[in-house]
Order: sequence, then structure tokens, then C-alpha cells
Amino acid sequence: EAGVTQFPSHSVIEKGQTVTLRCDPISGHDNLYWYRRVMGKEIKFLLHFVKESKQDESGMPNNRFLAERTGGTYSTLKVQPAELEDSGVYFCASSQDNRGAGGAFFGQGTRLTVV
Amino acid sequence: AQSVAQPEDQVNVAEGNPLTVKCTYSVSGNPYLFWYVQYPNRGLQFLLKYITGDNLVKGSYGFEAEFNKSQTSFHLKKPSALVSDSALYFCAVRLASGYSTLTFGKGTMLLVSP
Repeated sequence: EAGVTQFPSHSVIEKGQTVTLRCDPISGHDNLYWYRRVMGKEIKFLLHFVKESKQDESGMPNNRFLAERTGGTYSTLKVQPAELEDSGVYFCASSQDNRGAGGAFFGQGTRLTVV
Repeated sequence: AQSVAQPEDQVNVAEGNPLTVKCTYSVSGNPYLFWYVQYPNRGLQFLLKYITGDNLVKGSYGFEAEFNKSQTSFHLKKPSALVSDSALYFCAVRLASGYSTLTFGKGTMLLVSP
């Protein structure tokens, strides 16, 4: 069974450009989460999808970030326009339920560098 | 609000010695607790979890953790460290009931020397 996969693994863009990150969750997992780790800091929650609906987007930093999950399968996270402080590792995770008992499965992350 | 504290940025231990990576948490209710590990150039991997029952939980690669409710701690331990255990370790917590997402600590780098 394939795990959570994220594309690209690395991205270097200039300030002001747009970047789109993609996450393919484990098949059958309705719950999809985006997290971000800025260098040396905590891994912070961004948002949570249940199927195609946003269950919780309280962690989204500002309106430059747009997440979508059309059809309830893969998800994209777009940053437009990117700022220097957006640099970090963006993790995607998926789980069958939101009760946390099984723990979420994480992808390898996308390392975003804004220069 | 939930929070996790990992007081050590880095833990150094010699191969073969026991290791402990500390974690304390704060949550308004009963917790579910997790440890994740990130090896270089890899994603987060689940190590172990505490849900209920025995306070000592065993996980992957010989790691274990002890839930201590009175001290609100969930320290990660291993009796004999391996060089290959060198990685970044994250502790995480979520509420046991109701809606809650994972809250992570800032991570502890474990370096095991030969």
C-alpha cells in the first residue's frame, strides 16, 4: 500500500512568485491534514479536510495560502504570493478517522525555500 | 489550548548507552500522546502512541515511552542506543475526546556517537 506522497520534495522560488504543493493521501483516508515546520520551530497545524470539506482551517496563516481538495482525493496547497517567512517544510498527513487512535500517517514533506 | 514542551534541543548519547528524550504536555482533558521520528531527508514516521491502559508503551525500533499523568510527561526511552537512532524526534498530543488536531513540540535532535 502506498503511503502519503507529496510533490515536489523541494522547491526554491523567489519572493512574490506562486508555488503549489500537492499531497496524495493514503487511499480511503477521508481525513487529510496540512502542517508546516518553520526552521527550528514546532510543527504547526494548518488545516484539516474531511473528504472535500474543510473541517478546520484555523491554522492557515493568512489569505496568501489556499488549500483545496477537489473530489476528496488529493489536495493542493497554493502560496500566492510567497514571502520569505513562508520558507519551511510542509507536511501532509492522512488518517481514516479523526479520533486520533491510530495516529496520522505523514508524507515526507515539501521543503519550500523562498529567496 | 494544547501545548507540548521538549526542553532539550539536542540529546547526545554514546552507542550502547540508554537514552531519554523528554516531553511534557498540557491539555484540557485526557490526552492521546504520540512520538514521531524524522530521519534525514525522510518524512515523519510514527514511533508509538499512548491511548489508554498500561502507562508504558512499546513502539518501533525498540523505543518505549512512559505516560506519567501526575507529571504530565511522556518521555521517550531506549535501553541501548544505536548510531542509526540519530534523528529528529517529535512529541505530539491531542485530546482523547471531541475534535482535536495534533499539537507538536519543536523537536529534539538525538545524536548517537559510535
